[in-house]
Amino acid sequence: DAGVTQSPTHLIKTRGQHVTLRCSPISGHKSVSWYQQVLGQGPQFIFQYYEKEERGRGNFPDRFSARQFPNYSSELNVNALLLGDSALYLCASSPAGYEQYFGPGTRLTVT
Amino acid sequence: LAKTTQPISMDSYEGQEVNITCSHNNIATNDYITWYQQFPSQGPRFIIQGYKTKVTNEVASLFIPADRKSSTLSLPRVSLSDTAVYYCLVGDMGTDKLIFGTGTRLQVFP
Repeated sequence: DAGVTQSPTHLIKTRGQHVTLRCSPISGHKSVSWYQQVLGQGPQFIFQYYEKEERGRGNFPDRFSARQFPNYSSELNVNALLLGDSALYLCASSPAGYEQYFGPGTRLTVT
Repeated sequence: LAKTTQPISMDSYEGQEVNITCSHNNIATNDYITWYQQFPSQGPRFIIQGYKTKVTNEVASLFIPADRKSSTLSLPRVSLSDTAVYYCLVGDMGTDKLIFGTGTRLQVFP
């Protein structure tokens, strides 16, 4: 079975631009979560969606937004990019509960 | 959500048993203890989860004392491929919001 997939793998953007990251969960998983991981730190929770509704939001500015589609795939959008947004963005899916399955991540570099 | 404290780094040699201890003094009654493993440039991977006493699976064991204020991840006979960052997480099973700390960087030498 396919795991969580994310696209693109790598991305380079300029300050002020916006970016859209995509995630496809494991088949049958209805929950998708997004995390930001800055080099040398643990992943930080950004959003969690379940059945297309936002169930949780971390301490991130409104420049960050997300949505989940009827097929349970998800997009993370970041507007007005800052240098500090450079990170590995991880998507995780879960049938429910604490065991989450992470994708390989999207490496975003903001210059 | 309970805060966790674990060593920043540990070194070991191939074939040895590695024990990584995590402190979570403020663990709540509904909280479970979960460990994840992360290799560079990859997403974290679930290793093991427990509530109390001892849990064992094909890759690790998790020891939780009666007061549940700490837990120990035990990796038997590590190999070079076990070199990774290990995260201890504590939280309610009903939530999908994982709170990661800085983790323990395990380096296994030949």
